[in-house]
Amino acid sequence: DAGVIQSPRHEVTEMGQEVTLRCKPISGHDYLFWYRQTMMRGLELLIYFNNNVPIDDSGMPEDRFSAKMPNASFSTLKIQPSEPRDSAVYFCASSSGLAGSAYEQYFGPGTRLTVT
Amino acid sequence: AQKVTQAQTEISVVEKEDVTLDCVYETRDTTYYLFWYKQPPSGELVFLIRRNSFDEQNEISGRYSWNFQKSTSSFNFTITASQVVDSAVYFCALSGGTSYGKLTFGQGTILTVHP
Repeated sequence: DAGVIQSPRHEVTEMGQEVTLRCKPISGHDYLFWYRQTMMRGLELLIYFNNNVPIDDSGMPEDRFSAKMPNASFSTLKIQPSEPRDSAVYFCASSSGLAGSAYEQYFGPGTRLTVT
Repeated sequence: AQKVTQAQTEISVVEKEDVTLDCVYETRDTTYYLFWYKQPPSGELVFLIRRNSFDEQNEISGRYSWNFQKSTSSFNFTITASQVVDSAVYFCALSGGTSYGKLTFGQGTILTVHP
């Protein structure tokens, strides 16, 4: 079975540009999470969805960040405008709320974003 | 608020040595879950184990074992007879309360196993 798929794997952009990161969760999973990993702050949860509905976006750093989940198999994280301090690895993860497999999250390979 | 502390920033061992990675957590929830993840040099995060707060039995999986002690709020991870392939960053994480699914990660421990 395919795991969590993220694209692109690497993104280099200039400050001020719009960046869109994409994620396809594992089929059947009803939770989707976006994380950011930096050396300074470690792994931070940005936002998570349950059944396509945003549940907690308290980790979204500011209004420049937005996330959507239009359907069960696709989510985007958008940064507009991007800034050099947004450079990080962005992970998408999914999990199932079904008993017996609840809460263990499966991570995608990550998108390494560099903003120059 | 939930918090996970991994006090060991880096550990270096020689192959075949045993190594224990420490994890201490803080939560006010009575029901919670603890996790360990591995992040090898390739960068992906690999799920290793989940333990719920009502199950304090230690678990062993091959060379890996986990010791959960509620009395000390610790969930330590031991690798027996370490191998070079065990070199990675290891994260302990916690979820619980009204925010099931929302993982709080520790800062990670960088493990280097030398041949």
